[in-house]
Amino acid sequence: NAGVTQTPKFRILKIGQSMTLQCTQDMNHNYMYWYRQDPGMGLKLIYYSVGAGITDKGEVPNGYNVSRSTTEDFPLRLELAAPSQTSVYFCASSPPGLATGELFFGEGSRLTVL
Amino acid sequence: AQSVTQLDSHVSVSEGTPVLLRCNYSSSYSPSLFWYVQHPNKGLQLLLKYTSAATLVKGINGFEAEFKKSETSFHLTKPSAHMSDAAEYFCVVINTNAGKSTFGDGTTLTVKP
Repeated sequence: NAGVTQTPKFRILKIGQSMTLQCTQDMNHNYMYWYRQDPGMGLKLIYYSVGAGITDKGEVPNGYNVSRSTTEDFPLRLELAAPSQTSVYFCASSPPGLATGELFFGEGSRLTVL
Repeated sequence: AQSVTQLDSHVSVSEGTPVLLRCNYSSSYSPSLFWYVQHPNKGLQLLLKYTSAATLVKGINGFEAEFKKSETSFHLTKPSAHMSDAAEYFCVVINTNAGKSTFGDGTTLTVKP
């Protein structure tokens, strides 16, 4: 049981390039989330999904896109990377049912845009 | 709508003394509340959670938190700090019906020998 797996762990992009951060979970969780964490700050919600085929915007969605074609996978797409997107990105999932809401996190992906 | 305010960005204590990390929240529904800890260059780990059961919640590593609805607070405490407690702590409110989460900005806990 690997939990939540994010790839890559580190990436450097040039301004204007695009990339996809991959996230997969093997716990059959319905809810999945993408956050970004800037230095000295808390986590800001980018996008989230309550199930396959359903996604919704969080607090800071501009410059990002997501898809959720399966329960396991929730990739985050960066189009036209900008220096403001330099951050650490965390993927998380939450178990089915409405009672707990506990978030299980991946180890993070550190992205630098130069 | 929901929001979380962590009242102290930095807290410094001596080893063996009590820890208090303060969190206030606002929510238009009955919230689920969580405390997470993040050690340097690591992911986030759940410390404890409140989900409308007992108002005093016990977590891992001797931490506990009390949900006070009248004060809209969920402060984190520990009777005696250990050097290994030095980390960043986040208070989180989650609307489990809608799947939306909101994090506080975090409190950095420093433990002095």
